[in-house]
Amino acid sequence: SQKIEQNSEALNIQEGKTATLTCNYTNYSPAYLQWYRQDPGRGPVFLLLIRENEKEKRKERLKVTFDTTLKQSLFHITASQPADSATYLCALSSSASKIIFGSGTRLSIRP
Amino acid sequence: GAVVSQHPSWVICKSGTSVKIECRSLDFQATTMFWYRQFPKQSLMLMATSNEGSKATYEQGVEKDKFLINHASLTLSTLTVTSAHPEDSSFYICSARDRTSGRNEQFFGPGTRLTVL
Repeated sequence: SQKIEQNSEALNIQEGKTATLTCNYTNYSPAYLQWYRQDPGRGPVFLLLIRENEKEKRKERLKVTFDTTLKQSLFHITASQPADSATYLCALSSSASKIIFGSGTRLSIRP
Repeated sequence: GAVVSQHPSWVICKSGTSVKIECRSLDFQATTMFWYRQFPKQSLMLMATSNEGSKATYEQGVEKDKFLINHASLTLSTLTVTSAHPEDSSFYICSARDRTSGRNEQFFGPGTRLTVL
């Protein structure tokens, strides 16, 4: 069955450092990979989408890589700030199909 | 743009009663809306896919007679939890896909916290 693993349940890093979150998947060939941010008691907020034929995408302090050979995506937040503290969800989908979510990584940025 | 709202944001009800949750796309038309359930410290689990004007498609293990979904217009979908029980207590989140977008991007509502006593 399709499986998405976000390797760290929680990640705690120092403000100003780069946070790197990992997403691995098996038994799936997604057309799209997405990253969402979810704050406690709130719905997910879309951050970035990367297609299967793209290797990397950037948006301000965010960078996502997508390696379809390794079946892995890395999500980086550079110059991290306490306001970046949240749970980050990796999600996969094929064209026009449902999205499958990982269990998330809870990121804490300490001042 | 691309705002999705949910109402109510939280609800407490007695066991055996029914609860209706609304999901609206405020500034775009959504041919497809999705309903998710999220238990504490777990990921979002898709319950059903709702297409405007047709019956919802339920995921395996989700009872369609218990979770009634109506998608009567391009901007509104409702989820009714019938005869709710304490095990139905959860965070229910909807999302909507912009029909004009060529990407498989969903916009999520803020969620509804359901507590069944």
